Amino acid sequence: GAVVSQHPSWVICKSGTSVKIECRSLDFQATTMFWYRQFPKQSLMLMATSNEGSKATYEQGVEKDKFLINHASLTLSTLTVTSAHPEDSSFYICSASSVGLAGVMPTYNEQFFGPGTRLTVL
Amino acid sequence: GQQVMQIPQYQHVQEGEDFTTYCNSSTTLSNIQWYKQRPGGHPVFLIQLVKSGEVKKQKRLTFQFGEAKKNSSLHITATQTTDVGTYFCAGIYNQGGKLIFGQGTELSVKP
Repeated sequence: GAVVSQHPSWVICKSGTSVKIECRSLDFQATTMFWYRQFPKQSLMLMATSNEGSKATYEQGVEKDKFLINHASLTLSTLTVTSAHPEDSSFYICSASSVGLAGVMPTYNEQFFGPGTRLTVL
Repeated sequence: GQQVMQIPQYQHVQEGEDFTTYCNSSTTLSNIQWYKQRPGGHPVFLIQLVKSGEVKKQKRLTFQFGEAKKNSSLHITATQTTDVGTYFCAGIYNQGGKLIFGQGTELSVKP
């Protein structure tokens, strides 16, 4: 399957600082990338959907000014956690998908997940 | 709203026993995907079901999609220690829609 990398794999930062996480699709062009966060023993919660060259679509309750997403190319999306606080500590996972067509409607194919980034805010 | 419920939350089995996890949606799904996440790892795609009543097999794993496209199940026959992990279903409600993940079922296998 396709490979998605994520960097860094873990980061520890002080409260109030900003952290940037990169998500790259290594061997295919990802028209869409997704950002999730996952708390221990819990499911993946979608934060935002990122399409190359356009603004990200954020889920309800996710602050777009706090979680800045940039999808500058078909192989790279970044998530910046601005002014991080301890409650932002979590496992952040990106996924990449190509979009196929079912008739005239776009349909997402399987998502390929990155290895995740463990963020700890002190 | 759109929500996918998954049960059980945890399942502990003896090696060789069977295991099943179930997903249910109150509204009709377009399709459903299944993922496995090993401890400390990231979700890995297993399969996608699209058609009503569809049944797919991958070795000891059997995936079913209900006739009404509101429920799905994953059954593992004769579990092995390598099956350990959390199994998530993820539903899509309309073409081009996002994945809605179930809560996951954590499987532990005692050798």
